[in-house]
Amino acid sequence: NAGVTQTPKFQVLKTGQSMTLQCAQDMNHEYMSWYRQDPGMGLRLIHYSVGAGITDQGEVPNGYNVSRSTTEDFPLRLLSAAPSQTSVYFCASSYGGAGVHNEQFFGPGTRLTVL
Amino acid sequence: GQSLEQPSEVTAVEGAIVQINCTYQTSGFYGLSWYQQHDGGAPTFLSYNALDGLEETGRFSSFLSRSDSYGYLLLQELQMKDSASYFCAVRDTGGFKTIFGAGTRLFVKA
Repeated sequence: NAGVTQTPKFQVLKTGQSMTLQCAQDMNHEYMSWYRQDPGMGLRLIHYSVGAGITDQGEVPNGYNVSRSTTEDFPLRLLSAAPSQTSVYFCASSYGGAGVHNEQFFGPGTRLTVL
Repeated sequence: GQSLEQPSEVTAVEGAIVQINCTYQTSGFYGLSWYQQHDGGAPTFLSYNALDGLEETGRFSSFLSRSDSYGYLLLQELQMKDSASYFCAVRDTGGFKTIFGAGTRLFVKA
């Protein structure tokens, strides 16, 4: 199993450009999430999904869109990049379900710089 | 809303025991988790508490008191490789969202 994969690993954008960060998992997990990590601020939840076709907003959703057309894939779209979106982005997946401790498996991250 | 508080930094000596505290404020609660993250790496799961009490996994233990909205991670027999950031995280009542604290940077000295 590859686990959770993310592409690209590094990306530099200019202000106003759009792009999609890819995330895929091969563990048949229902739950998937996107986080951003900034120095000293931990991981902040952007969007999450509890299954194909179902998404919802997290703590910091503005400027980002998501969709979940399959169980495996959960792409994150930046609509019009801004310098404030410079960050490390992590995708995570978990089994979910009642009574399950919901251990999250994280991808390696995408390091995004917006100039 | 939800918020978690943990110390920003802790320093300890190799071989010692260190405790990292976490207090949380949530509109609902489904469990407290702990994750470890080395510089440049991704977070990895360490432990989970849904009920009050102590959970032990090797050198690491985690404790939860739901009545006090408080938990801690205990690391024993510290090793240099334990130098990392440690995050507590709370699942909301529905179990759908996991919110993380800002993290505690642990420095282990020889």
